[in-house]
Amino acid sequence: AQSVTQLDSQVPVFEEAPVELRCNYSSSVSVYLFWYVQYPNQGLQLLLKYLSGSTLVKGINGFEAEFNKSQTSFHLRKPSVHISDTAEYFCAVSVTYGNKLVFGAGTILRVKS
Amino acid sequence: ETGVTQSPTHLIKTRGQQVTLRCSSQSGHNTVSWYQQALGQGPQFIFQYYREEENGRGNFPPRFSGLQFPNYSSELNVNALELDDSALYLCASSTQGAAEYFGPGTRLTVT
Repeated sequence: AQSVTQLDSQVPVFEEAPVELRCNYSSSVSVYLFWYVQYPNQGLQLLLKYLSGSTLVKGINGFEAEFNKSQTSFHLRKPSVHISDTAEYFCAVSVTYGNKLVFGAGTILRVKS
Repeated sequence: ETGVTQSPTHLIKTRGQQVTLRCSSQSGHNTVSWYQQALGQGPQFIFQYYREEENGRGNFPPRFSGLQFPNYSSELNVNALELDDSALYLCASSTQGAAEYFGPGTRLTVT
């Protein structure tokens, strides 16, 4: 079985500062990795995904993530955050692409002015 | 291209009742998945339908059931509602072997 641990439940950061949201996963087989964002009272929006190839993945809204197989991590980063980035971010894995995402508990990013 | 839509947006039910939630998949998508997101938690996979057949199920009891129609829209049915069924129910659509795109969800409150 797969599991995902998001190491921080909340991350406060000032506007224009860099941010890293941490994600570790556990799996006995290879997985696909995803980051989703959820704005208040909305569904989930796909930020980026890692399927194979380059371990540095670029997504929408200036976010990027790096897959580290030895550390089983997939941390999300943004060099300069905006107030509009305030949302909850979910890391997820799947064994089969397009089926059964296993999510972490989420990290709330609070961007302060 | 229309996105994933869900109805209703909110509903309130009483313990023991039955509920049906609906999802219209994104144009061109033949796969629908349902997730339950309890307050303060990440979504949990309920099941997936591909071309009207169940294609994987999570750790949910049989009182959670689903249907997918020829136009690839889908229903989630929950019988004998319990208080713990209160959650945001998310529908996601995709084509096989592609990332899932989520709808806005249905907020179910069981009293």
